[in-house]
Amino acid sequence: DVKVTQSSRYLVKRTGEKVFLECVQDMDHENMFWYRQDPGLGLRLIYFSYDVKMKEKGDIPEGYSVSREKKERFSLILESASTNQTSMYLCASSLFTSGDNEQFFGPGTRLTVL
Amino acid sequence: KNEVEQSPQNLTAQEGEFITINCSYSVGISALHWLQQHPGGGIVSLFMLSSGKKKHGRLIATINIQEKHSSLHITASHPRDSAVYICAVRSRNNNDMRFGAGTRLTVKP
Repeated sequence: DVKVTQSSRYLVKRTGEKVFLECVQDMDHENMFWYRQDPGLGLRLIYFSYDVKMKEKGDIPEGYSVSREKKERFSLILESASTNQTSMYLCASSLFTSGDNEQFFGPGTRLTVL
Repeated sequence: KNEVEQSPQNLTAQEGEFITINCSYSVGISALHWLQQHPGGGIVSLFMLSSGKKKHGRLIATINIQEKHSSLHITASHPRDSAVYICAVRSRNNNDMRFGAGTRLTVKP
């Protein structure tokens, strides 16, 4: 079974703090994704990576950066957390980006910025 | 207007009832996914389909490509089916995934 793990289930941070969210997958997947999920909006793509050290902006990259130094690990960074970044953050991975390719999701990190 | 629209947003049913959740989309797609998200956040994939119909246990997913519409049916619903069900499509043009806002299903005993 594919396993995608995220470093924290719940996180509380203060405005202005630097926040790191870590995601690890164990199936040698090429592609990894970071989404945020807000009520009524569905999942929105923040960034994705199709290879080590490669990254692409998603729909809402502002206020975020990412790092992919190793294939299995994809980190989401909030350089200076703000209250509007309070959300559920979901990481996913997939083998390919095209066609009938399934994404496997992590358990999510619920981040609260005070 | 969202590219992926789900209805209803919220659904409450009695145990044993037949459930239908609908998904309409406006882009050309290569695949449509139905996902289930339980309280606590974890998302699991239920179905991935590009035509016709798929069945897994009490769950059935159908898609009509011409009408750009998919339905997820749950037969003999059970309280453990209570979750958020999310429709997602992979755009044929750019391979991006687009997600519906989800349908929150509550099945009461």
